[in-house]
Amino acid sequence: AQSVTQLDSQVPVFEEAPVELRCNYSSSVSVYLFWYVQYPNQGLQLLLKYLSGSTLVKSINGFEAEFNKSQTSFHLRKPSVHISDTAEYFCAVKGRTGTASKLTFGTGTRLQVTL
Amino acid sequence: DGGITQSPKYLFRKEGQNVTLSCEQNLNHDAMYWYRQDPGQGLRLIYYSQIVNDFQKGDIAEGYSVSREKKESFPLTVTSAQKNPTAFYLCASSTGGHLEQFFGPGTRLTVL
Repeated sequence: AQSVTQLDSQVPVFEEAPVELRCNYSSSVSVYLFWYVQYPNQGLQLLLKYLSGSTLVKSINGFEAEFNKSQTSFHLRKPSVHISDTAEYFCAVKGRTGTASKLTFGTGTRLQVTL
Repeated sequence: DGGITQSPKYLFRKEGQNVTLSCEQNLNHDAMYWYRQDPGQGLRLIYYSQIVNDFQKGDIAEGYSVSREKKESFPLTVTSAQKNPTAFYLCASSTGGHLEQFFGPGTRLTVL
C-alpha cells in the first residue's frame, strides 16, 4: 500500500517570487514519483517524473523536483513563478513492484500567483 | 494528433437515471483508467483495464460499471446506485509499462 501527503491545500505567492509545493509519500516498496498540473476545468498534464538516475528532475517550464529517499519527499520548486503557473498541482506515486498498475494521488495543492 | 477525448464536457441528468460517459484514445495504449475528482480529495480510481475484454475495480467502484470491447474505447456508466454521482470524471491511458498516464479533458457530471 502507498499514500501521498500534500500538506498545503493552497499556496498564495506573488509573481516572480520562489515557490515550493511539498509532497511526502509512504510506500513499502521503491517508487516512481510524478507531479501533474491541472488548469481549471481541464485534465491533468504530466509536469515531471522521477523514474531512476539523477534525483533532481526538471520540467521545460522551469519547475524542478528532488527525490529524497531518506525523507520520503518529492517537493516541487520554481525559483520565479509567473501568473500562468496558477493551477492545481498533484503529486503521485506508483510502486515499482507488485500487481497494482495504479497511481496514487495526493489531494492537490492550489497555487495562486498574483501581481 | 494523438490523444484522449471525453464527451460530453458537461452532462446533466436527473436523479435515478443511468448515464454513460465516453472515453476514446488513439494513442494505441493498452491500459485505460477512470478517475473521479472531488474538491479537496484528489483523484480516486474507479475502474481500470489493462487489456481488451478485461477490467478491474479500483478504490471506489460501487455504483459504476465499465466495458472494454475495443482497445480505443473505455466507457463508464454511472448507475442509479451511485449515491453521490455529481463530480468531475477523468479518463486516462498508458502504455504497457503503466508509468506515465495521459489524461483526457474530463466530463463534469451534475445530477439534479
